[in-house]
Amino acid sequence: DIQMTQSPSSVSASVGDRVTITCRASQGISSWLAWFQQKPGKAPDLLIYAASSLQSGVPPRFSGSGSGTGFTLTISSLQPEDFATYYCQQVHSFPYTFGQGTKLEIK
Amino acid sequence: VQLVESGGGLVQPGGSLRLSCTASGFNFSTYIFNWVRQAPGKGLEWVSYISITGRTIYSADSVKGRFTISRDNTKNSVFLQMSSLRDEDTATYFCARSNNGNWFDPWGQGTRVTVSS
Repeated sequence: DIQMTQSPSSVSASVGDRVTITCRASQGISSWLAWFQQKPGKAPDLLIYAASSLQSGVPPRFSGSGSGTGFTLTISSLQPEDFATYYCQQVHSFPYTFGQGTKLEIK
Repeated sequence: VQLVESGGGLVQPGGSLRLSCTASGFNFSTYIFNWVRQAPGKGLEWVSYISITGRTIYSADSVKGRFTISRDNTKNSVFLQMSSLRDEDTATYFCARSNNGNWFDPWGQGTRVTVSS
């Protein structure tokens, strides 16, 4: 199975800050990576697919990069509604696997 | 575009439950579907996948032999039959549509399953 490791597990930041979350795959997955945002009590929302493609309707302050085993999600200028938990997911091969999540909290 | 899960509830260890996910607003028969679960306070765990025709199915090792995914394209619905339930199956279960490339979007609101005596 492909293991997905996110860092950090949690991060505190302020509105307007730039934040980067990292996801590492235990083996190469090309660009078969997605990023999700989840707010408490809600279903996850797709933010980024194919490592760097912005899902329709997602603000351009979100961006993704990377390929192979290393990936990043960057939020260029944090807004109040961005405080949530973020997950990466590989869909390169079964079983599909998620990172453990990164909780983004208000400083 | 909407997915609505149902069928969750409280069940004793060893029991069975059937979850449903009913879709609307799109051509159901042309999409792949997955089930994903989330234990209370924990992260996301992919559970099962079903192809457009229903002939190709994949499941996580943690549920293999106990959970069965299926679909009925005439009812715009995908199902998860769960048997031999364990305490560790307690979670909110989400269904998610997959488009080209298997990207999960959208997700349903989830249905909660509690396995407890």
